[in-house]
Amino acid sequence: DAGVIQSPRHEVTEMGQEVTLRCKPISGHDYLFWYRQTMMRGLELLIYFNNNVPIDDSGMPEDRFSAKMPNASFSTLKIQPSEPRDSAVYFCASSPQTGRYEQYFGPGTRLTVT
Amino acid sequence: GQQLNQSPQSMFIQEGEDVSMNCTSSSIFNTWLWYKQDPGEGPVLLIALYKAGELTSNGRLTAQFGITRKDSFLNISASIPSDVGIYFCAGREGGGADGLTFGKGTHLIIQP
Repeated sequence: DAGVIQSPRHEVTEMGQEVTLRCKPISGHDYLFWYRQTMMRGLELLIYFNNNVPIDDSGMPEDRFSAKMPNASFSTLKIQPSEPRDSAVYFCASSPQTGRYEQYFGPGTRLTVT
Repeated sequence: GQQLNQSPQSMFIQEGEDVSMNCTSSSIFNTWLWYKQDPGEGPVLLIALYKAGELTSNGRLTAQFGITRKDSFLNISASIPSDVGIYFCAGREGGGADGLTFGKGTHLIIQP
């Protein structure tokens, strides 16, 4: 079974540019989570979806960040315009609807904004 | 927001030694999970705990959900070089599939 798939694995962009990160959850999982990891703040939840509907976006830093889940197998996290302080590793995770809601993480996208 | 205090921050040990790390929270959690992260990879789930007092093993790893529901620990017995990495505790206050709160991690370094 394929795990969570994220693309790109690395992204380098200039300040002010738009950045789009992509995620494909594990098939059959109804929950999708976006996290950000930095040295200073560790792993932080940004937003999560259930059945493609955003449930909690209180972790989204500011209006420059937006996330969508147009269908059960695809989600995007967009930053527009990007800033150097957005440099971090962004992880997508998914969990099933039933059972114990264990979260499985993708390999992450390392974003560098210069 | 909720914070998890994970200790120690780092550990230098000899191969074959046992390892112990723990995590505490200021409020009650309903779920505790332990993850391991290797460089350049995402966190990998090691053990999940769902009941106060629960003790669960996964090979040489053993984790416990504290009776007060405000702490958890992870033990690794007879460490081997591939145990090197960063170990994170994570917790969930709600009973459903909410997002996780993570500790800052324990960096484990093993000297052969």
